Amino acid sequence: GENVEQHPSTLSVQEGDSAVIKCTYSDSASNYFPWYKQELGKGPQLIIDIRSNVGEKKDQRIAVTLNKTAKHFSLHITETQPEDSAVYFCAAPSPQGAQKLVFGQGTRLTINP
Amino acid sequence: GAGVSQSPRYKVAKRGQDVALRCDPISGHVSLFWYQQALGQGPEFLTYFQNEAQLDKSGLPSDRFFAERPEGSVSTLKIQRTQKEDSAVYLCASSLTPDRETQYFGPGTRLLVL
Repeated sequence: GENVEQHPSTLSVQEGDSAVIKCTYSDSASNYFPWYKQELGKGPQLIIDIRSNVGEKKDQRIAVTLNKTAKHFSLHITETQPEDSAVYFCAAPSPQGAQKLVFGQGTRLTINP
Repeated sequence: GAGVSQSPRYKVAKRGQDVALRCDPISGHVSLFWYQQALGQGPEFLTYFQNEAQLDKSGLPSDRFFAERPEGSVSTLKIQRTQKEDSAVYLCASSLTPDRETQYFGPGTRLLVL
């Protein structure tokens, strides 16, 4: 089945700097890669996703890049703000079973003012 | 519009008790998923419904876990004879159709088994 590895597990950056979180996946047939943000006591919130027919997608300060050959995808947050502090999860669809997602282990991002 | 809602938000149970967790998906969403999230971990798949049909229950950890969605909308996850290792956040997610991958999550139910 699909295996998703996420790095780093924790990341601390100064406000205004950029943050990058990386994920690798194992199943070359995977074609959809979402990123979720989870704040304390809340459910995961979809912040951006990318499908395998594009290499990059951007939404304001957030971007995701995909390298299908290397089977990895990354989340980029620019001009970080204190409200970006949260746990971020990448995911990929499992080939076994309809549309269920396999999640990475999460990255706790802390923005220092 | 309204998102996915779950109730209760918090549940404390004594070991051996049965619990029932409710999920109200986004109106009109065909697909419904249950995930279990242990402290400090990513969500892990439990089970999947397409309308009222439970098409995948491969993630349910034991036969003490049971889920249903009898009318294809609201779903209930039931855990019988709860054990301490069942303590986790239980997340529900829904998506518009089986072909639309985007899953929207509810706030979760935090279950603590004493």
